[in-house]
Amino acid sequence: TQLLEQSPQFLSIQEGENLTVYCNSSSVFSSLQWYRQEPGEGPVLLVTVVTGGEVKKLKRLTFQFGDARKDSSLHITAAQPGDTGLYLCAGSMDSNYQLIWGAGTKLIIKP
Amino acid sequence: NAGVTQTPKFQVLKTGQSMTLQCAQDMNHNSMYWYRQDPGMGLRLIYYSASEGTTDKGEVPNGYNVSRLNKREFSLRLESAAPSQTSVYFCASSERTDGGPGDIYSNQPQHFGDGTRLSIL
Repeated sequence: TQLLEQSPQFLSIQEGENLTVYCNSSSVFSSLQWYRQEPGEGPVLLVTVVTGGEVKKLKRLTFQFGDARKDSSLHITAAQPGDTGLYLCAGSMDSNYQLIWGAGTKLIIKP
Repeated sequence: NAGVTQTPKFQVLKTGQSMTLQCAQDMNHNSMYWYRQDPGMGLRLIYYSASEGTTDKGEVPNGYNVSRLNKREFSLRLESAAPSQTSVYFCASSERTDGGPGDIYSNQPQHFGDGTRLSIL
């Protein structure tokens, strides 16, 4: 059973469209990280959110941590082909300092 | 900047063979990790080393052993490879992960190598 559920599992959209991917759990996390992974490479950290309700922006990417620190979302505005990749969320729990990983959302942006 | 270096990048083994996956980091990080990544299952932790001289089991340790050779190097060994161990293996490192609850270092990002693609026939 995944502690962190990511949805959708797969998303293919046209360049210029907006999209949101989700990372949900019934557990509370002390922080949540978002990574992007490109084919043949390891994941690379995009952002860490720590405070409930926190919003962080990275150019066209907006990350939000839920008020109860159980969920998070990633919104991409005007998606570009360079945004293509596997997006992974990973949560850190107070009771266990290992990261809990979601299964990922595979995103394809078509030119 | 090399970061985390994994060798080899690709390997094909026969069932029952053994091999060691090598990992080295040059960021002076205390903590290192071995994960496997399978389609639809995300990253699963095999073993980790919170600091030099310590190793602990993760979620899926069966069939694997690890050695933290020094602060830079953390190796993963398959003693008798099985087809179920066909996967992509990632090594990662982070600043520190030894403080437990409330330790700010538990939020430190993990830095990954580019993976080893391992097939067991």
